[in-house]
Amino acid sequence: DAGVTQSPTHLIKTRGQQVTLRCSPKSGHDTVSWYQQALGQGPQFIFQYYEEEERQRGNFPDRFSGHQFPNYSSELNVNALLLGDSALYLCASSLIPQGVKAEQFFGPGTRLTVL
Amino acid sequence: AQKVTQAQTEISVVEKEDVTLDCVYETRDTTYYLFWYKQPPSGELVFLIRRNSFDEQNEISGRYSWNFQKSTSSFNFTITASQVVDSAVYFCALRGGNEKLTFGTGTRLTIIP
Repeated sequence: DAGVTQSPTHLIKTRGQQVTLRCSPKSGHDTVSWYQQALGQGPQFIFQYYEEEERQRGNFPDRFSGHQFPNYSSELNVNALLLGDSALYLCASSLIPQGVKAEQFFGPGTRLTVL
Repeated sequence: AQKVTQAQTEISVVEKEDVTLDCVYETRDTTYYLFWYKQPPSGELVFLIRRNSFDEQNEISGRYSWNFQKSTSSFNFTITASQVVDSAVYFCALRGGNEKLTFGTGTRLTIIP
């Protein structure tokens, strides 16, 4: 049973560039959530996708956008990168019918460095 | 608004000692869930436990135990007879009615051999 996978593992970009991160959920899961974890901080919720639509969103600017595909995999896009976007980006999958009690399974993350 | 506070930034104990990680939360929701995650150096968050707001029964799982007290809005985590493999960053998290998972800032636990 494959867990949550993310690609790439590491990424280096320069300010102003655009980046796309990818996530495949755990087998059987239909919901994908994205988190940003700055160094020394806890993960911060970016948004959640279900049925190919953004279901919830945290306090992140419109430069952060996403997409979910029919196979439930997801992409996170960040435009006009800033130095402050450097962080570990975590993807988590869950089952939406479980609602508030849903356990989220996390991937290993993508480490983004913006120079 | 939801908030999770982990006041202990870093803790170091000698192997085989017991250690307690504190977590205090704030929420206006009556139905909510509390979680603990472990983050080893590899970066992946590992789920440890989930507890709902209506179940204040303490739980023990091997060397791990959790003490949930609604009266003090706390959900503390104790590791008994700590081992070097327990070294990691531990996060407490809360999910309420808006279903967004709110994390604390984490406690870095170092077990000294």
